[in-house]
Amino acid sequence: KQEVTQIPAALSVPEGENLVLNCSFTDSAIYNLQWFRQDPGKGLTSLLLIQSSQREQTSGRLNASLDKSSGRSTLYIAASQPGDSATYLCAVVSNTDKLIFGTGTRLQVFP
Amino acid sequence: GAVVSQHPSWVICKSGTSVKIECRSLDFQATTMFWYRQFPKQSLMLMATSNEGSKATYEQGVEKDKFLINHASLTLSTLTVTSAHPEDSSFYICSASPQGYEQYFGPGTRLTVT
Repeated sequence: KQEVTQIPAALSVPEGENLVLNCSFTDSAIYNLQWFRQDPGKGLTSLLLIQSSQREQTSGRLNASLDKSSGRSTLYIAASQPGDSATYLCAVVSNTDKLIFGTGTRLQVFP
Repeated sequence: GAVVSQHPSWVICKSGTSVKIECRSLDFQATTMFWYRQFPKQSLMLMATSNEGSKATYEQGVEKDKFLINHASLTLSTLTVTSAHPEDSSFYICSASPQGYEQYFGPGTRLTVT
């Protein structure tokens, strides 16, 4: 059974820092991995999707890498801003077409 | 593009009543829709997968007679919580997939059962 874990569970940093959020999954047989952002009481916003054949994806200040063989992904946020404060979720799709979500990292960036 | 809406955004109901939540894909046809449940400060848990015109597939531990899912068209799926109880209070999120693999999420519905 696929299990997805995210470390750290919570993170509080001053504005301007570069951040790394970690995601690990137990079954390396995935089709893709996706990073989402969730603001309190809101739905999910897709940030980056990495296909299993890819190593990384970039969007603005965000960069996500994927090492399928070791079951790991990292989300790198450059020059963090208070507006980046949210919960970040990673999720993987296995052969069942289902998204299996991680436990999430609650990020707070203070001015 | 790829917008998914949910209605209502929040609802309060009395214990024992039923509540219906709608999920619509506004600018694409969704062959598959998913329903998730999220407790405070926890991740999303998949409840069921529905394909248009067929019965929903429920995850283990989810009561199909309590959480009725109907996917009557390629743009609409509904989740009905029957005989709601306070423990059903949660944040319910749907997603829609046009071709499989990539899912687009709705804004969620906050259900409070008193």
